[in-house]
Amino acid sequence: DTEVTQTPKHLVMGMTNKKSLKCEQHMGHRAMYWYKQKAKKPPELMFVYSYEKLSINESVPSRFSPECPNSSLLNLHLHALQPEDSALYLCASSQDLAASGRVSSYNEQFFGPGTRLTVL
Amino acid sequence: SQQGEEDPQALSIQEGENATMNCSYKTSINNLQWYRQNSGRGLVHLILIRSNEREKHSGRLRVTLDTSKKSSSLLITASRAADTASYFCATDGNQFYFGTGTSLTVIP
Repeated sequence: DTEVTQTPKHLVMGMTNKKSLKCEQHMGHRAMYWYKQKAKKPPELMFVYSYEKLSINESVPSRFSPECPNSSLLNLHLHALQPEDSALYLCASSQDLAASGRVSSYNEQFFGPGTRLTVL
Repeated sequence: SQQGEEDPQALSIQEGENATMNCSYKTSINNLQWYRQNSGRGLVHLILIRSNEREKHSGRLRVTLDTSKKSSSLLITASRAADTASYFCATDGNQFYFGTGTSLTVIP
């Protein structure tokens, strides 16, 4: 199974709401990623987990809170978001990270279909 | 900050024609990947080229890498309508990043 699944597909929330995005993979990958993508822009890395521990946080505002309950699951908890946070949120996984702990351009990343988030 | 630039930003061709898109980067890299993204969907890995390789083929895809010019190109031969998508290079200079992307439209 080479699929990464994400739920929900679409999410509309108010600025005072709390919601969560979920991601799941069963490829035995040890690295999992959250990306944010605005329209007509490339994906921007937000967080990376390696062996269920947060390895990289690209200075993301605290209103985004990642969680990795186990090696197959990745969550992104959302609270007090702003309208400018509206975007496509992509989850990805890869075999692992580079030995340095950084994201490796050697490892293929497998992406989920994304969650389209709208903040009103 | 964004370190990879792709051109053209948009490309429209007829089915059967070849499509070439280019990626330039600023710092030394280890490898370079190309990904495809269909509208509003996840990305799909297409091909990897290592920094010590100059050219690589996979089906209708041909990728070149010129480390002296800090650039790579992706050629799609005999394009099909199903190739309509955005194409991103991805590499790791000081950090991993995606290029700005090329939006390809193949007209049937």
